[in-house]
Amino acid sequence: AAGVIQSPRHLIKEKRETATLKCYPIPRHDTVYWYQQGPGQDPQFLISFYEKMQSDKGSIPDRFSAQQFSDYHSELNMSSLELGDSALYFCASSLGWRGSSYNEQFFGPGTRLTVL
Amino acid sequence: AQSVTQPDIHITVSEGASLELRCNYSYGATPYLFWYVQSPGQGLQLLLKYFSGDTLVQGIKGFEAEFKRSQSSFNLRKPSVHWSDAAEYFCAVGYAGGTSYGKLTFGQGTILTVHP
Repeated sequence: AAGVIQSPRHLIKEKRETATLKCYPIPRHDTVYWYQQGPGQDPQFLISFYEKMQSDKGSIPDRFSAQQFSDYHSELNMSSLELGDSALYFCASSLGWRGSSYNEQFFGPGTRLTVL
Repeated sequence: AQSVTQPDIHITVSEGASLELRCNYSYGATPYLFWYVQSPGQGLQLLLKYFSGDTLVQGIKGFEAEFKRSQSSFNLRKPSVHWSDAAEYFCAVGYAGGTSYGKLTFGQGTILTVHP
């Protein structure tokens, strides 16, 4: 079965540079979530999109922006990178709310960002 | 706001011994509960989930968890641990309300070490 695809898997950047992370959801999934997991930390929710509109926002820095495109893939853009942005970034996808029950999220393998 | 607490940061067991990892949640509505496992530097693998119904749920790799509403707990158990179970385990609660549909809040994680 198709899974969530994230690219790149590894990324090394210098401070103050820009990075773009991409997420391709499972086919027919209309909702994408982004999470950030710092070293030794639990994953923290950043932002989510449903049907190409931002649906929820968590602890995402103003230097970060994200969007969901017409084919439902999503990109997380990170500017003015700081050392503290070094983390594992997960994308997850699901079917959005259908008014009946919670729909499980499926996680991608993550992108490991290292800021030097 | 929802929250998840895993009281044990690190647990060590001997191979073949039983295991119980604790998880307590705070959530105002019906909780959607999950246990994930993560090996170092790897992604999140879903072990099991609870949405409704039978409060004892079975997962992969011989794991099970019991939902106890009166105690706001969702503890993970395994009768006999294998060395390959050594990893970090995260409990998570899913939120299903309004525009905040779907995001997961994770506990701090419990690192499991297995001695031969």
